[in-house]
Amino acid sequence: AQSVTQLDSQVPVFEEAPVELRCNYSSSVSVYLFWYVQYPNQGLQLLLKYLSGSTLVKGINGFEAEFNKSQTSFHLRKPSVHISDTAEYFCAVSNQAGTALIFGKGTTLSVSS
Amino acid sequence: GAVVSQHPSRVICKSGTSVKIECRSLDFQATTMFWYRQFPKKSLMLMATSNEGSKATYEQGVEKDKFLINHASLTLSTLTVTSAHPEDSSFYICSARDNRDRGYTFGSGTRLTVV
Repeated sequence: AQSVTQLDSQVPVFEEAPVELRCNYSSSVSVYLFWYVQYPNQGLQLLLKYLSGSTLVKGINGFEAEFNKSQTSFHLRKPSVHISDTAEYFCAVSNQAGTALIFGKGTTLSVSS
Repeated sequence: GAVVSQHPSRVICKSGTSVKIECRSLDFQATTMFWYRQFPKKSLMLMATSNEGSKATYEQGVEKDKFLINHASLTLSTLTVTSAHPEDSSFYICSARDNRDRGYTFGSGTRLTVV
């Protein structure tokens, strides 16, 4: 079985500052990894995903994440955040057989001016 | 990209009634869909996996008689909350796996309020 740990429940940052949202996973098999963003009362929007290949994955809105197999991590980064990045961010994992995504508890990113 | 349409977006119902939520994949065929429940300020909890043409697989602790799932076609899965009670009030989200790119697309969610 897989599990996901998002190490920070809340991350407050100032506008234009860099940010890193941490995610660690646990699995006995090879996995696919995802980051989603959720705005209030909305569904989830995919930011980026790692399936295979290059460990540095670039996504939408300037976000990127790096897959580190030895540390079982998939941290999300953005070099300069905007007020509009304020949202809930979820890290998720699935196995390569296409079973359901298993989510971390989420990280609330709050960007202030 | 893949689109999943979920309806209704909001529903208020009386205690004891049933509510049906629809989830459609608009531009791809989804042999597998997933239903999640999200409590306020909380993560998504997987309720069940819905497979086209067969019975859904429910997660431990989810009442299959209360949360009826039907996946009658490759583009439509429904979740029916039967005999709803206030404790069933929640945000329900569906997801479909697109085998073309191994990605998961989510519906926009349904806010259910039982009064």
